Amino acid sequence: DGGITQSPKYLFRKEGQNVTLSCEQNLNHDAMYWYRQDPGQGLRLIYYSQIVNDFQKGDIAEGYSVSREKKESFPLTVTSAQKNPTAFYLCASKILAGGSNEQFFGPGTRLTVL
Amino acid sequence: SQQGEEDPQALSIQEGENATMNCSYKTSINNLQWYRQNSGRGLVHLILIRSNEREKHSGRLRVTLDTSKKSSSLLITASRAADTASYFCATDAGETSGSRLTFGEGTQLTVNP
Repeated sequence: DGGITQSPKYLFRKEGQNVTLSCEQNLNHDAMYWYRQDPGQGLRLIYYSQIVNDFQKGDIAEGYSVSREKKESFPLTVTSAQKNPTAFYLCASKILAGGSNEQFFGPGTRLTVL
Repeated sequence: SQQGEEDPQALSIQEGENATMNCSYKTSINNLQWYRQNSGRGLVHLILIRSNEREKHSGRLRVTLDTSKKSSSLLITASRAADTASYFCATDAGETSGSRLTFGEGTQLTVNP
């Protein structure tokens, strides 16, 4: 099956701990994105990457870090510097050139800080 | 920052009725997209309208775009209980912006059987 997967579905973290959220796609998409969604609100962009070994900050990058060592993978680390990390995290991907411009979303990871 | 603003924030209708959601934005766009999100799930792309288009249809969906007013609307005709979800507009400023999408706050649609 082709698609974009995120793991785990639920994640619990103690304050002061770093945690890494996984995002993998087998769609051969060029660009990948990480969003944060708080209850009853829209999505806010954390980081995005258009090519391997390169990424850019989005609107709310503070307290987060990413890497793009492989085209298929774009893990997000939520560091202890993120003041309010409890949220729903969504990963997305898209083709850049010649594509339909739509983004394909994973099922999300719900992170709760205890 | 959130560029899109949607109204209403919540909409409750009966099955068979039409649902209209509106989206306003602030800057120039390459295209505008509408997505649907079922509770606790990822987003699913519904329809895209380019800046040089004024209206687009896909099944029971009709999207309009007025670039002079920087606004768009999504109409769902003959709604069904299964249409219950949150609906988001997202603006795409094009490749110069990294093909980023800027999402609105969303409209929560409830279709009552």
